[in-house]
Amino acid sequence: DAKTTQPNSMESNEEEPVHLPCNHSTISGTDYIHWYRQLPSQGPEYVIHGLTSNVNNRMASLAIAEDRKSSTLILHRATLRDAAVYYCILRPGDVYDKIIFGKGTRLHILP
Amino acid sequence: ETGVTQTPRHLVMGMTNKKSLKCEQHLGHNAMYWYKQSAKKPLELMFVYSLEERVENNSVPSRFSPECPNSSHLFLHLHTLQPEDSALYLCASSPRIGQGLEQYFGPGTRLTVT
Repeated sequence: DAKTTQPNSMESNEEEPVHLPCNHSTISGTDYIHWYRQLPSQGPEYVIHGLTSNVNNRMASLAIAEDRKSSTLILHRATLRDAAVYYCILRPGDVYDKIIFGKGTRLHILP
Repeated sequence: ETGVTQTPRHLVMGMTNKKSLKCEQHLGHNAMYWYKQSAKKPLELMFVYSLEERVENNSVPSRFSPECPNSSHLFLHLHTLQPEDSALYLCASSPRIGQGLEQYFGPGTRLTVT
């Protein structure tokens, strides 16, 4: 399975934008880029996903590099409730899809 | 209720007990999953069901037995567990398997085996 690399932790101030990077240099042409986050004592929560084009939803934006070897999750205005571990994951588009979580990035939000 | 629910949220059981974990999804999805998340390992896929049919079993010990009576319900039957089975057990669902679709997770059941 293709792997992703993320920083172990990041800090951001409340109400400021946050850019969470992810490198996936071995991505294949059929891999989707997914982001999940996990708050303490909760199950993972789907955030956003994309294939080639940038994506926006109510939670975040996903910027995908032209060569698809990296991507950035953008939280436009961080709140204290955004403090969580963020996982960048590659999901194959074929039949047997499984989510493999790495260590993710622990995001700290400073009030 | 909406989304994916799991019961119980916490469970303590002895190694000789038999218990079951329940998952229910209210999203109209056709695929359901069991995952194990422990402190020492990343999230591990255990079982995948598509339209009540098991499509993947990732070499899980037989002391874990899944059951999917319909596309909305998923059970994980537990018996003769070991202390190293203590973990957070997560259920997830997706519209269908494949195509890199997103999965929606339940809150998990925190299992402690004594």
